[in-house]
Amino acid sequence: DQQVKQNSPSLSVQEGRISILNCDYTNSMFDYFLWYKKYPAEGPTFLISISSIKDKNEDGRFTVFLNKSAKHLSLHIVPSQPGDSAVYFCAAFEGGGSNYKLTFGKGTLLTVNP
Amino acid sequence: GAGVSQSPSNKVTEKGKDVELRCDPISGHTALYWYRQSLGQGLEFLIYFQGNSAPDKSGLPSDRFSAERTGGSVSTLTIQRTQQEDSAVYLCASSSPGLLNGYTFGSGTRLTVV
Repeated sequence: DQQVKQNSPSLSVQEGRISILNCDYTNSMFDYFLWYKKYPAEGPTFLISISSIKDKNEDGRFTVFLNKSAKHLSLHIVPSQPGDSAVYFCAAFEGGGSNYKLTFGKGTLLTVNP
Repeated sequence: GAGVSQSPSNKVTEKGKDVELRCDPISGHTALYWYRQSLGQGLEFLIYFQGNSAPDKSGLPSDRFSAERTGGSVSTLTIQRTQQEDSAVYLCASSSPGLLNGYTFGSGTRLTVV
């Protein structure tokens, strides 16, 4: 039973355009969400997070939106750059900062074409 | 150290052999996690250590898997009598308590069982 779902295995966008990566979850107890970015042969690196008490968090070119009623979040990258090409994982956990185990989606491979 | 260090980076083993994977977390991080990523899958939680508390082993897929953390620092994940389905990238991560920016991952050990 997948509690965090990333239904698009891959996404391709042109440099300079917006990339939108989507994530859905089923566990209503999740209250903190994170996005990780992973390059080949490297571990995932933390990108941006959002608490369930917010609906938007922005950090430079990256913005995460959370729609609790729909149990949906998305990551927007504007403008997209070739260096953004990587696998993006959505992750969630319960506990309001207990820093316990994360539940990850399967990832979306983003390719930004020059 | 500056980051989470894992060794070996690659391991090829014959079916039925035992393997040990090592993780050296960031100094001062009290929490340590093991995840694995099988081909085409998301990151699957295996085990979690927090300080001197009993580890959460709820993600270990079978009793062939075990892990220990000595002195609250280095951790070893052991897989006995390896099977081909154990082939995956095994990722270790560490964090300090209360850190809401997720974990810091190592680069992983790619295990191939032939």
